[in-house]
Amino acid sequence: DTVMTQSPASMSTSVGERVTVNCKASQSVGTVVAWFQQKPGQSPKRLIYLATNRHTGVPDRFTGSGFGRDFTLTISNVEAEDLAVYYCLQYDSIPYTFGAGTKLELK
Amino acid sequence: QVQLQQSGAELAKPGSSVKISCKASGYTFTSYYISWIKQTTGQGLEYIGYINTGSGGTNYNEKFKGKATLTVDKSSSTAFMQLSSLTPDDSAVYYCARGHTMGMGWGQGVMVTVSS
Repeated sequence: DTVMTQSPASMSTSVGERVTVNCKASQSVGTVVAWFQQKPGQSPKRLIYLATNRHTGVPDRFTGSGFGRDFTLTISNVEAEDLAVYYCLQYDSIPYTFGAGTKLELK
Repeated sequence: QVQLQQSGAELAKPGSSVKISCKASGYTFTSYYISWIKQTTGQGLEYIGYINTGSGGTNYNEKFKGKATLTVDKSSSTAFMQLSSLTPDDSAVYYCARGHTMGMGWGQGVMVTVSS
């Protein structure tokens, strides 16, 4: 199975700041990576697919990058509504596997 | 409006089975696979597998073979997941999601609690 090692586990930031979340795959997955946002009490929602493509309706302050084994989700100009847990997912090979999540907290 | 409406919370005894449902609306049911995902505090998100809603073909995470059985009823646009031989480790929130890559909307989740 492809292990997705996600970091950091949590981070604290302020409104207007820029944050990055990282995922490292145990083997190359090309660009077959997605990012999900899960707000408290809600189901996850996809933000990014194929590493760099924003899902319909996702604000452009969310940016995905990476290829091969290393992937990054960047949130620019963080807003209070971005308080959530973020997960990466590789869907290059079954079983699809998620990162452990990054909890974004606001100072 | 696309919706995936899941059945209610389940309290089950060890060794028993539960069958949870995921009713789709707002789109052509057979146009998208349905995926199933397990979420626990300790293990995070785990992909269980997906079902081709048109053919009924399935693809399982090896870890969940023998534990989860995915089926569909096209007449009611509903997908089902049966979990068998339940143990406390099966206690979790289970989600269905539209699409094999889970990008097209998720259900609200079903909490399954396994306890004697």
